[in-house]
Amino acid sequence: EIVLTQSPVTLSLSPGERATLSCRASQSVGSYLAWYQQKPGQAPRLLIYDAFNRATGIPARFSGSGSGTDFTLTISSLEPEDVAVYYCQQRSNWPPELTFGGGTKVEIK
Amino acid sequence: QIQLVQSGAEVKSPGASVKVSCKASGYTFTSIGISWVRQAPGQSPEWMGWISGDNGNTNYAQKFQDRVTMRTDRFTSTAYMELRSLRSADTATYYCAVGATNFDYWGQGTLVTVSS
Repeated sequence: EIVLTQSPVTLSLSPGERATLSCRASQSVGSYLAWYQQKPGQAPRLLIYDAFNRATGIPARFSGSGSGTDFTLTISSLEPEDVAVYYCQQRSNWPPELTFGGGTKVEIK
Repeated sequence: QIQLVQSGAEVKSPGASVKVSCKASGYTFTSIGISWVRQAPGQSPEWMGWISGDNGNTNYAQKFQDRVTMRTDRFTSTAYMELRSLRSADTATYYCAVGATNFDYWGQGTLVTVSS
């Protein structure tokens, strides 16, 4: 099973600051990496798929980069509504399974 | 618009089974599969498996291979997930989501509580 390790566990920033979230895979996942945002009591919301493609309706301040084993989600200018837990998720060809990372909680100072 | 509406919360005893339904609308049900993802309180999401909306082919996570069954009803555009031999560690919110690899659309979640 491919393990995804996210860092930091918690990120506390002021509004307008840049947030950089990391996701590291235990083996290469190519570009098959997605990012989700989850707020309390809600289902996860897809932000980024295939490493850098923004999902429909996602603001341009969210961007993804990386390939292989190291990936980054960047929020260019943090807004109060971005307070949430962010998860990365990979899909592997063999075994054909999906796994999620442990999450990064983004807080506003 | 694409919508997934799931069945209501369940409370089950250890050793019992639970069946969660997921009714889809707003797209051609047979064109895309449905995945099931669960999330225990305070934990990350966990993928359980996928079922084709067309031919019923399934791909289960190894962890659930022996205890889960997924099926679909094309006539009512509904997907079902049954989990057997429940234990306390199965207490979680269970979600259905459209697709096999990335999930743009999710159901509202079904809380399953396993307690004696």
